[in-house]
Amino acid sequence: DQQVKQNSPSLSVQEGRISILNCDYTNSMFDYFLWYKKYPAEGPTFLISISSIKDKNEDGRFTVFLNKSAKHLSLHIVPSQPGDSAVYFCAARDQTGANNLFFGTGTRLTVIP
Amino acid sequence: ETGVTQTPRHLVMGMTNKKSLKCEQHLGHNAMYWYKQSAKKPLELMFVYNFKEQTENNSVPSRFSPECPNSSHLFLHLHTLQPEDSALYLCASSQDQGNEQFFGPGTRLTVL
Repeated sequence: DQQVKQNSPSLSVQEGRISILNCDYTNSMFDYFLWYKKYPAEGPTFLISISSIKDKNEDGRFTVFLNKSAKHLSLHIVPSQPGDSAVYFCAARDQTGANNLFFGTGTRLTVIP
Repeated sequence: ETGVTQTPRHLVMGMTNKKSLKCEQHLGHNAMYWYKQSAKKPLELMFVYNFKEQTENNSVPSRFSPECPNSSHLFLHLHTLQPEDSALYLCASSQDQGNEQFFGPGTRLTVL
């Protein structure tokens, strides 16, 4: 059973507008959440993270919001740029046991110039 | 070389072949991981090594055999694979298990 879900396989946004990528999770023991970006023929690269004790973390154009009661997080990119076109993966860490990461299936973002 | 490197980048093998995937990290990390990424599926964790010791084997078939001779190198030995094993195999490393993982570019494996 998938513990981290990204229900939108793709998203298209006009350059300069806001991109919002969503992620839902089921495990209340997740304590740390990460977003990764992946370009074709490359491995995923770490983008931004948030601890479960916070509800927002910002880094330049990227902001991650966490809603623990809804078990939902989102990544906002503002303003979107064509170079942001990539697949974005949400990941969550299970604080019990081995601290392994659980990944979603990814959302392909296309920013249209 | 910087970051995490993987060789080969592409591999085509028959079901009776034996091959190995190699991963090397130049980040001084102490944990290394193998993941499998199949189309439209989330990354599946296969193996975890922490300070060269295997700490996780996620019910992976024995036709996949990992080896971690030191904290910087990780191998995945493959033998008698099946066509459904065709996927992108990603290696990652982190400083301690559970922190941000840094990924290599992956090996695209095709089993005929």
